[in-house]
Amino acid sequence: DAKTTQPNSMESNEEEPVHLPCNHSTISGTDYIHWYRQLPSQGPEYVIHGLTSNVNNRMASLAIAEDRKSSTLILHRATLRDAAVYYCILTNFGNEKLTFGTGTRLTIIP
Amino acid sequence: GAVVSQHPSWVICKSGTSVKIECRSLDFQATTMFWYRQFPKQSLMLMATSNEGSKATYEQGVEKDKFLINHASLTLSTLTVTSAHPEDSSFYICSASGGRAGGLYEQYFGPGTRLTVT
Repeated sequence: DAKTTQPNSMESNEEEPVHLPCNHSTISGTDYIHWYRQLPSQGPEYVIHGLTSNVNNRMASLAIAEDRKSSTLILHRATLRDAAVYYCILTNFGNEKLTFGTGTRLTIIP
Repeated sequence: GAVVSQHPSWVICKSGTSVKIECRSLDFQATTMFWYRQFPKQSLMLMATSNEGSKATYEQGVEKDKFLINHASLTLSTLTVTSAHPEDSSFYICSASGGRAGGLYEQYFGPGTRLTVT
């Protein structure tokens, strides 16, 4: 699977939007973009995924660049509960494995 | 969403003993389960993939005789750490896949089991 690059850490103020970037310049046409997050001392939880078009769900939005070489996870209004490590992961069609990188540690400032 | 449980949530054992960790999919049938290990301040590392009724597939560098995986049913997989040593102390996390959904595999993660070997 293609590799992703994320900033090690980010900070955001509570109740403000957060934009978490992910670069994946070697993405293939059949690679899906997944976002998971891991709260302290817990297993990861699914956030969102997409292929080409932008996606919205109750947790977040995923904005995918037109060339698909980067994407941004958007938390519209950060809360303290959103403090976690966010992982951007690519998986190829038909491949179940998730390869976790180092992710971005998001700190929310009250 | 689908729920995956792990038992125990934490365990302390003595060096040289074996420890079994259970992973259950509570409200769906998991055709595939994955086992991960996570050391403090590090990311998750995939240890093995298990499919119901067949032998697990281990990632490179993971000792299959030390980390025994059994996937006896579509809702239960177990990881046994045999002859545990302090360096095996870690956070063990399982995930379960319910199979394809529109070409994508959806994975649901358990809450993790913290193993401390003294």
